[in-house]
Amino acid sequence: GEEVAQTPKHLVRGEGQKAKLYCAPIKGHSYVFWYQQVLKNEFKFLISFQNENVFDETGMPKERFSAKCLPNSPCSLEIQATKLEDSAVYFCASSPRGAGLETQYFGPGTRLLVL
Amino acid sequence: DQQVKQNSPSLSVQEGRISILNCDYTNSMFDYFLWYKKYPAEGPTFLISISSIKDKNEDGRFTVFLNKSAKHLSLHIVPSQPGDSAVYFCAASAIGGGADGLTFGKGTHLIIQP
Repeated sequence: GEEVAQTPKHLVRGEGQKAKLYCAPIKGHSYVFWYQQVLKNEFKFLISFQNENVFDETGMPKERFSAKCLPNSPCSLEIQATKLEDSAVYFCASSPRGAGLETQYFGPGTRLLVL
Repeated sequence: DQQVKQNSPSLSVQEGRISILNCDYTNSMFDYFLWYKKYPAEGPTFLISISSIKDKNEDGRFTVFLNKSAKHLSLHIVPSQPGDSAVYFCAASAIGGGADGLTFGKGTHLIIQP
């Protein structure tokens, strides 16, 4: 598609439950990124993919967070055993094939609320 | 330690005047800078970018200036319009492949007064 699509728009989970978020990048874009916006104006980079390969996961909390980008499927970000501090808006972004100076285009985000 | 800083949380500008949003960075490895605009409950929308080999890039009403020696960039919007009211984020990426995560500032809330 022409835009990055993210589902669901909103997700409510009880503490300890699993949460799974989905992202469909712009058609033809090879790179996918996940960001977490906890406080209103702070973005934290989590992980990036080049096609289905993890490229940079320096921002990922290793214990409970995992992500995948499989061929012919939306990318996913999964949080096992959610905690209250996982409440945030999770943004997915994609960028075109090619190395170097590429613009990232963002989806509308998934708002996760952990109660 | 914040590597990208937007020191003005908010800025109020009269319609028709110039809006100037500022951004400072500390990481010398940053070589690509972007400005995003964000409305509430929406994702950031790309506005304009600049690479470190340039000092100015212009697109319609938007111009970005980069001063590498001062590690400072600014976004100029002229003339400012009511629809420009939004939060503006400065972002930067370091040398490397296209899969580098962006480092964002905390944003400046621009309010255009009629």
